Amino acid sequence: RKEVEQDPGPFNVPEGATVAFNCTYSNSASQSFFWYRQDCRKEPKLLMSVYSSGNEDGRFTAQLNRASQYISLLIRDSKLSDSATYLCVVNNGGSYIPTFGRGTSLIVHP
Amino acid sequence: NAGVTQTPKFRILKIGQSMTLQCTQDMNHNYMYWYRQDPGMGLKLIYYSVGAGITDKGEVPNGYNVSRSTTEDFPLRLELAAPSQTSVYFCASSRGVQETQYFGPGTRLLVL
Repeated sequence: RKEVEQDPGPFNVPEGATVAFNCTYSNSASQSFFWYRQDCRKEPKLLMSVYSSGNEDGRFTAQLNRASQYISLLIRDSKLSDSATYLCVVNNGGSYIPTFGRGTSLIVHP
Repeated sequence: NAGVTQTPKFRILKIGQSMTLQCTQDMNHNYMYWYRQDPGMGLKLIYYSVGAGITDKGEVPNGYNVSRSTTEDFPLRLELAAPSQTSVYFCASSRGVQETQYFGPGTRLLVL
């Protein structure tokens, strides 16, 4: 099993839709979790950190489920500008190396 | 505060040539990383550093070398370029291992 797994998609949704992505991780000792956004041919940028209690930033909600070892990202009222690849990142306590998922592609169409 | 800067933005190399990809950060971060990203693929870690003078191999170090003589700079050296090294190279830094990574804009390398 890969350390961090994401459905590559693409998720093709209309404007205004709600879409959710999951990311599963294999190391139960993982301590910190993030969602990054990567636009085509650009560098990844932090979208939001994922906290144990869940957190929300505008239309974006991130959740952590430690029992089932996954994190999720919910996007409400999708905009055309949300089209991008969403990467999940997991940091293990005993490693200097964060683990990136391969990303989930989102395409929002008119 | 420029964050993480990388030079050059784009380079074409011939097989067997050498080059250094530059990476500088002005956030006083201890941790720095080099990744490569092939088209349609995820990020692969080449080398990383936890502080000046300390470097270690990542997932795909063959064909590359790094040094970290200062906190700010983390250059990546390609000694004998091969077509398999055609990729986009991203440098990143973070304050701590559990912290957010900040990425540079990337260097696009084509080896012909």
